[in-house]
Amino acid sequence: QTVVTQEPSLTVSPGGTVTLTCASSTGAVTSGYYPNWFQQKPGQAPRALIYSTSNKHSWTPARFSGSLLGGKAALTLSGVQPEDEAEYYCLLYYGGAQLVFGGGTKLTVL
Amino acid sequence: QVQLQESGPGLVKPSQTLSLTCTVSGGSISSGNYYWSWIRQPPGKGLEWIGYIYYSGNTYYNPSLKSRVTISVDTSKNQFSLKLSSVTAADTAVYYCARDFIDYTNSGGALQGMDVWGQGTTVTVSS
Repeated sequence: QTVVTQEPSLTVSPGGTVTLTCASSTGAVTSGYYPNWFQQKPGQAPRALIYSTSNKHSWTPARFSGSLLGGKAALTLSGVQPEDEAEYYCLLYYGGAQLVFGGGTKLTVL
Repeated sequence: QVQLQESGPGLVKPSQTLSLTCTVSGGSISSGNYYWSWIRQPPGKGLEWIGYIYYSGNTYYNPSLKSRVTISVDTSKNQFSLKLSSVTAADTAVYYCARDFIDYTNSGGALQGMDVWGQGTTVTVSS
């Protein structure tokens, strides 16, 4: 059973920078896993932010960026805004067309 | 602007089959380079990918649910559907449909992601 692990919770101050990570139980995350990142606020459907490691959708704010960092996928928020408080999920694509979501990171802006 | 909308019963009895439909508007479900996914989220928990289908009917399922899941497509209605059999209380969740795209680059690589989501529909399994 493949497990994708994220930090359960992180706290950041308004205007600060924070990095969320996404690790795979199978080993290092590479671009071949096409890491995706989603933001979900309470009572809402997830909203796509990043696809294929670092590509932004047309609606993704510039302060969000994706990368690979130390064998993990990473989502960095720079100049955090209060409205960025949310749950963030990563998604990895495994060979054989299997998709696995991470457990989510609850980001608090305080 | 493609939009997705889930529909189906909000209450299902244990041991019965859960059936949901996702209607695609603003675009054709038969457009190439798209797969059509079902994802669920139990109350207070994270997201779980259930499976997806290509317009041709090719399907891929989460191994943990494969024995109980069927995803089908009706291109004439621009819809795809989910059936989950032998449900229990553990299947209580918000069910989302989503569009999964794959783009092939000029350099021979690929970009893949999930971009458009439905608003979700709550299904409760209870007698």
